[in-house]
Amino acid sequence: GNSVTQMEGPVTLSEEAFLTINCTYTATGYPSLFWYVQYPGEGLQLLLKATKADDKGSNKGFEATYRKETTSFHLEKGSVQVSDSAVYFCALTNQAGTALIFGKGTTLSVSS
Amino acid sequence: EADIYQTPRYLVIGTGKKITLECSQTMGHDKMYWYQQDPGMELHLIHYSYGVNSTEKGDLSSESTVSRIRTEHFPLTLESARPSHTSQYLCASTGQGEYEQYFGPGTRLTVT
Repeated sequence: GNSVTQMEGPVTLSEEAFLTINCTYTATGYPSLFWYVQYPGEGLQLLLKATKADDKGSNKGFEATYRKETTSFHLEKGSVQVSDSAVYFCALTNQAGTALIFGKGTTLSVSS
Repeated sequence: EADIYQTPRYLVIGTGKKITLECSQTMGHDKMYWYQQDPGMELHLIHYSYGVNSTEKGDLSSESTVSRIRTEHFPLTLESARPSHTSQYLCASTGQGEYEQYFGPGTRLTVT
């Protein structure tokens, strides 16, 4: 079945640093890909998504490109802020397209 | 903005008590899900529903049960709470023809 692997954290950065969180997947067919963010004490929020190869999802300065050739969907941001401190989850649709499969989450801490 | 609600947000209860965690959404979504989130932040799907009177067990075995009598309501019940049930419980929903899930704020359950 489909699966996703994302880099383990925690990731610790200084404010204005460049961020990359790696996500790779294994899938049959053409899954949709997602990044979710979870701030402390809250549920998950959809950050961005891409539904087909070469699509770029973007939101709040974050970007990720659906790379079919490398089966990757890495999350990037050019200049992180303290307010970006959160847990980030990569996800993809399951083989049947009926649910999402989540990675284990990557904790990001940004200091000023 | 997704409208999905969970109550209570926090619950501390003694061993052996029966509890029901509430989840409601006002978007008319057909699919609903319950996740258990462990301290390492990994999400585990424990129940899902594709519509009224439809419920299925997820990937992680759970002693909890769910019901789906109304589209907007998907409560989770533990007949006899144990300390091993201490966790964060997240509810989510998805609309027809969509893949992204919308999450509630979660219920943090502590069983003493």
